[in-house]
Amino acid sequence: EPEVTQTPSHQVTQMGQEVILRCVPISNHLYFYWYRQILGQKVEFLVSFYNNEISEKSEIFDDQFSVERPDGSNFTLKIRSTKLEDSAMYFCASSTQGALVGYTFGSGTRLTVV
Amino acid sequence: GESVGLHLPTLSVQEGDNSIINCAYSNSASDYFIWYKQESGKGPQFIIDIRSNMDKRQGQRVTVLLNKTVKHLSLQIAATQPGDSAVYFCAETPSLDKVIFGPGTSLSVIP
Repeated sequence: EPEVTQTPSHQVTQMGQEVILRCVPISNHLYFYWYRQILGQKVEFLVSFYNNEISEKSEIFDDQFSVERPDGSNFTLKIRSTKLEDSAMYFCASSTQGALVGYTFGSGTRLTVV
Repeated sequence: GESVGLHLPTLSVQEGDNSIINCAYSNSASDYFIWYKQESGKGPQFIIDIRSNMDKRQGQRVTVLLNKTVKHLSLQIAATQPGDSAVYFCAETPSLDKVIFGPGTSLSVIP
């Protein structure tokens, strides 16, 4: 069964440093998403991406965040200057028809900012 | 603002019993609703979905009910098994570009 792959599984970074979280969506999917989940809380929408541009973003997704699809397979989330409150699980997801079908999620990257 | 909430944050059931997890949503414009299951250390996994023009949909051991009048969604799991222990999230689609998750219900199955 096709999977969404995320790397690394766990990243520890110092406050103020830049991090890049990587995702390989399912190959025939066209819609890509990032979500985050602070420990014990709900899954929060960050951004959706289609046709090489952001289609929607949440209030969380401020100027410190950016996304990129640098080639035909990877989809990245960059946090420019990490804060302690950025510590969370970050999930990448992809779908064939946007939000009209269920997404396939990756296993997540646990980001710890110290 | 948009929100999807749950009535019961935790639920414990005996193995073999049926489970019912409830959810309230707030956005009348949402056209599509999904239930996800999240096991420890994993990402959300799609279970079942339902569109706003339906009030019931059945899958294998799972049934989703939608009551648009009171903006209520429920997930029924028949003959609950230990492998069903997880956190369950309802989610709604207020636009074509995003899915909004509820806060989650933790289901614990007692052997």
